[in-house]
Amino acid sequence: GAVVSQHPSRVICKSGTSVKIECRSLDFQATTMFWYRQFPKKSLMLMATSNEGSKATYEQGVEKDKFLINHASLTLSTLTVTSAHPEDSSFYICSAGTSGADTQYFGPGTRLTVL
Amino acid sequence: GEDVEQSLFLSVREGDSSVINCTYTDSSSTYLYWYKQEPGAGLQLLTYIFSNMDMKQDQRLTVLLNKKDKHLSLRIADTQTGDSAIYFCAERNNQGGKLIFGQGTELSVKP
Repeated sequence: GAVVSQHPSRVICKSGTSVKIECRSLDFQATTMFWYRQFPKKSLMLMATSNEGSKATYEQGVEKDKFLINHASLTLSTLTVTSAHPEDSSFYICSAGTSGADTQYFGPGTRLTVL
Repeated sequence: GEDVEQSLFLSVREGDSSVINCTYTDSSSTYLYWYKQEPGAGLQLLTYIFSNMDMKQDQRLTVLLNKKDKHLSLRIADTQTGDSAIYFCAERNNQGGKLIFGQGTELSVKP
C-alpha cells in the first residue's frame, strides 16, 4: 500500500523558535497533501490543504503566517511552525492523496512539545 | 454545516463482535471511511464505502451504510485485544476532497 512518512517523529523546542516538519509520500506522487492537528483524546482538525506547486488553502481560524506550508514537489510537503509557543504543542499529522483518488494515506504523525 | 458524530467509548470481550456507529450530516458525501489509530501513531485506513453501496465486507470487517438515515457502522467480528484502538469515521467533502472526522470511538477489548 501507499506509504507516507513524517520527520521528525518527535520534537521538543523552546518558545520562540521555529520548527519544520516534513511529510513525504514514499511510493507514489501526491498531488495533494493535507495537514491536520490532533489534541489528546480529540479528533483531527484540518489545518490546510496543499497542492503541488501552488499556495496552500488554509481552514478558517488557522494563521497562515504562523503555520507555513510548502509543497514544492510531488513527494514532499513541509509545515513550519514559526515562533512556536506552548499552545502550539500538539500532534501534527499529514496525509497525501493523488488527484481524483478515493483515499488519503496518513503519515505516522509528529509530536511537537514547546517549552 | 458538516458534522460527524460517534460515541466515545466501547468495551467488549475478546471473541465478541464490536459495532461502532457513526452519523453524518452531509448528504452529498461521496465516500465514507473508517480509520484506526493506535496510541502515538498516525491513522491507518481500514476500509471505505462508496455512497451508493449499502454494505461492504472485508475479512473481519463489515461496513453498513444507511444513506437515508445518514448512519454508518463498522462491525468487527471475533474482536481481538490487538483491535483495541481509537476508530474514526470520516466523510469525504466534495470540495477539494477534504475529510471531515468524527470524534473517534475508543474500543477497549478485554480478555
